[in-house]
Amino acid sequence: EAAVTQSPRSKVAVTGGKVTLSCHQTNNHDYMYWYRQDTGHGLRLIHYSYVADSTEKGDIPDGYKASRPSQENFSLILELASLSQTAVYFCASSEAGSAETLYFGSGTRLTVL
Amino acid sequence: QQNVQQSPESLIVPEGARTSLNCTFSDSASQYFWWYRQHSGKAPKALMSIFSNGEKEEGRFTIHLNKASLHFSLHIRDSQPSDSALYLCAVSITGGYKVVFGSGTRLLVSP
Repeated sequence: EAAVTQSPRSKVAVTGGKVTLSCHQTNNHDYMYWYRQDTGHGLRLIHYSYVADSTEKGDIPDGYKASRPSQENFSLILELASLSQTAVYFCASSEAGSAETLYFGSGTRLTVL
Repeated sequence: QQNVQQSPESLIVPEGARTSLNCTFSDSASQYFWWYRQHSGKAPKALMSIFSNGEKEEGRFTIHLNKASLHFSLHIRDSQPSDSALYLCAVSITGGYKVVFGSGTRLLVSP
């Protein structure tokens, strides 16, 4: 089965600080995604990538940057963390685009104080 | 902009009951439809998918899709306590990159 691992599992950050969330997949999948989950909002797409060294904006990209240095690795960067960015963040991968099943990591619970 | 809505928001059913979860979408060009299940504290995991109008059954689970009505549903036969989870419907269009999720239905199956 597809394997997507995220680190850290949880993190507490201070307002204005920099946060980096990491994701690694061993599926040889082209597409990788970062989603945010808040109560009552399901999953919302932040950034995605379909090839190394390229990232694209999703539906809620403001305040977030992404980096895809290799096919296997995809990072989400919060340059200036804010209280409103407290949430659970999920990384996912898929073989191709929107016609394919998403395989999710276990998530990172981020708390910004 | 695709809008995906789920109902009900939450549901409590007795063990052995038949459960129905609903999802409506707004983009008539939608082609791919999934149900994901997320147990508490875990990652969402794909449960079932359907890509053409009609019905698809896998064990105790059945998906119905009616593209003309912009609606699809998940039915669980003989619900079990282990089915208790957050159920997320998801929709995407051909050639796109984006899968849009609903806000979820939280199901509790009481023993």
